[in-house]
Amino acid sequence: SQQGEEDPQALSIQEGENATMNCSYKTSINNLQWYRQNSGRGLVHLILIRSNEREKHSGRLRVTLDTSKKSSSLLITASRAADTASYFCATASDSGSARQLTFGSGTQLTVLP
Amino acid sequence: ETGVTQTPRHLVMGMTNKKSLKCEQHLGHNAMYWYKQSAKKPLELMFVYSLEERVENNSVPSRFSPECPNSSHLFLHLHTLQPEDSALYLCASSLADTQYFGPGTRLTVL
Repeated sequence: SQQGEEDPQALSIQEGENATMNCSYKTSINNLQWYRQNSGRGLVHLILIRSNEREKHSGRLRVTLDTSKKSSSLLITASRAADTASYFCATASDSGSARQLTFGSGTQLTVLP
Repeated sequence: ETGVTQTPRHLVMGMTNKKSLKCEQHLGHNAMYWYKQSAKKPLELMFVYSLEERVENNSVPSRFSPECPNSSHLFLHLHTLQPEDSALYLCASSLADTQYFGPGTRLTVL
């Protein structure tokens, strides 16, 4: 089973609306990261939240982390057509090599103009 | 551009061919990674190199052979691949927690 599971698998919204994606994981983590991938391209790091943090902001992005529920959410406010992409959460374990990330299956976000 | 380059961007090969994928990072990072991304599946970590030493090999078939000659370069040597090996192969590098990805090589095995 996957360490990170995103929900929903696909999300379609109108430009200007907010988009919320969720991620659940199974084991203890050192940090959780969100990445974005445009079709057929490499991943781009968006934001990192550590296990002792509950919320983090970066521009139009807001990430929350609930370690008791082993879940995280990514909120994109005032979405734009250019936000259309796949979004992945990735967890770094708090044991072993913290450099190894385990990725979820991703949420495909489509922002309609 | 993330500072991580991959060549070639596209590769079509037969099952009996031998080819190599190349990754180069210009960020001064000390760890490099190979991932496989297949349709409808999460990214699969294949290999991790830290300070040019392989620290992880996630049960990858021997038809994939990595090489890390220095901290800036990473290769993935391919031989006698199978059609199910067709995928996007992504290279990444890191210095700390965040990984920086290259654009990937789209591999098709006929």
